[in-house]
Amino acid sequence: GAVVSQHPSRVICKSGTSVKIECRSLDFQATTMFWYRQFPKKSLMLMATSNEGSKATYEQGVEKDKFLINHASLTLSTLTVTSAHPEDSSFYICSAWGGENTEAFFGQGTRLTVV
Amino acid sequence: AQSVSQHNHHVILSEAASLELGCNYSYGGTVNLFWYVQYPGQHLQLLLKYFSGDPLVKGIKGFEAEFIKSKFSFNLRKPSVQWSDTAEYFCAVKNNYGQNFVFGPGTRLSVLP
Repeated sequence: GAVVSQHPSRVICKSGTSVKIECRSLDFQATTMFWYRQFPKKSLMLMATSNEGSKATYEQGVEKDKFLINHASLTLSTLTVTSAHPEDSSFYICSAWGGENTEAFFGQGTRLTVV
Repeated sequence: AQSVSQHNHHVILSEAASLELGCNYSYGGTVNLFWYVQYPGQHLQLLLKYFSGDPLVKGIKGFEAEFIKSKFSFNLRKPSVQWSDTAEYFCAVKNNYGQNFVFGPGTRLSVLP
């Protein structure tokens, strides 16, 4: 199946700094990518839908100024956690939509720890 | 807003027992429906999907699901579970406009050997 690469897989940062997470579709073009946050033993919470060349659509309660999403090309979307705080520590997962009548392919996830 | 509910938080079964996990969604339009599985320490893997046609879809590892439009349901079934089916199962719904790909809260399945 199609491959989605997410990088880094694990990152530790200091409180107040920013962290960028990349999501790449390696063998297909993804006009739509999704960003999720997964808490321990919980489901995936959709944070935002990212469409290539346009602004992301954020879910209610997700701060767009804190979680900056850029989808500059058909194979790359980035999530930047700005001014990170310990409560932002979580597992972030991206997925890329393969197109009509296909499926979403998931990245490996990024474990963010803010200290 | 679109939402997905799963009936059971944690299901415990013995090997060879039959499984049915409930999934309901709230969205009045055309939807695509999915079941994903997440084994411990691994990332999400697609079990099966429904787009159109036969409402009974078969997936990998002996799983199947039935779409009942009138009930807004997409329940997952397996006639005989194995210990290796122990995992977290997520139902997901995507609307046909491309926006929103929403997951249910998940059901943890524990299969006792």
